[in-house]
Amino acid sequence: AQTVTQSQPEMSVQEAETVTLSCTYDTSESDYYLFWYKQPPSRQMILVIRQEAYKQQNATENRFSVNFQKAAKSFSLKISDSQLGDAAMYFCAYRSAEAGNQFYFGTGTSLTVIP
Amino acid sequence: ETGVTQTPRHLVMGMTNKKSLKCEQHLGHNAMYWYKQSAKKPLELMFVYSLEERVENNSVPSRFSPECPNSSHLFLHLHTLQPEDSALYLCASSQADRGINEQFFGPGTRLTVL
Repeated sequence: AQTVTQSQPEMSVQEAETVTLSCTYDTSESDYYLFWYKQPPSRQMILVIRQEAYKQQNATENRFSVNFQKAAKSFSLKISDSQLGDAAMYFCAYRSAEAGNQFYFGTGTSLTVIP
Repeated sequence: ETGVTQTPRHLVMGMTNKKSLKCEQHLGHNAMYWYKQSAKKPLELMFVYSLEERVENNSVPSRFSPECPNSSHLFLHLHTLQPEDSALYLCASSQADRGINEQFFGPGTRLTVL
């Protein structure tokens, strides 16, 4: 089974600053998808950003961007101009490109934004 | 809000009780999932239903029993649970075909077993 590792249980960032959350994964597949999910306290888990492994260009969604390094099996999330509403648990997830395959999640990184 | 709803949002039960968790998705997806979320642990996939057939079990104890009567509804029947089963139970749905189809999550049911 694939494994997803988030080595930073907790991170903090000053409001308006930039923070990078790390994620590495282990797979022998060449075609897959990667995701970052955000789970605010007592709120629903929502998708932040996603990346297709065959695309070399890093995905960007407003203040959120990824640094996808396929050879290193690394998929970090960069949050620019951090806002108080960014405080949440962030989960990295992997899914094979084959139909019906399950998602594999990391243990999460708890992000605190300091005013 | 996403198109996945879960009820109840909170549940407290004794070890001898029988209860059920309900999940409903309004997104037209063909796959639904139950996850267990405990502190400092990865999301644990419990059950997957794709096209209303169970395709993954992951050795979940038999005191958890899933039911998927149609592609929009998913239940998790609980009986004789243990205190270590206390956790947040998340339901999710997705399209289970090729493509970058993300999962959409419900708000979860916070379960406490006394």
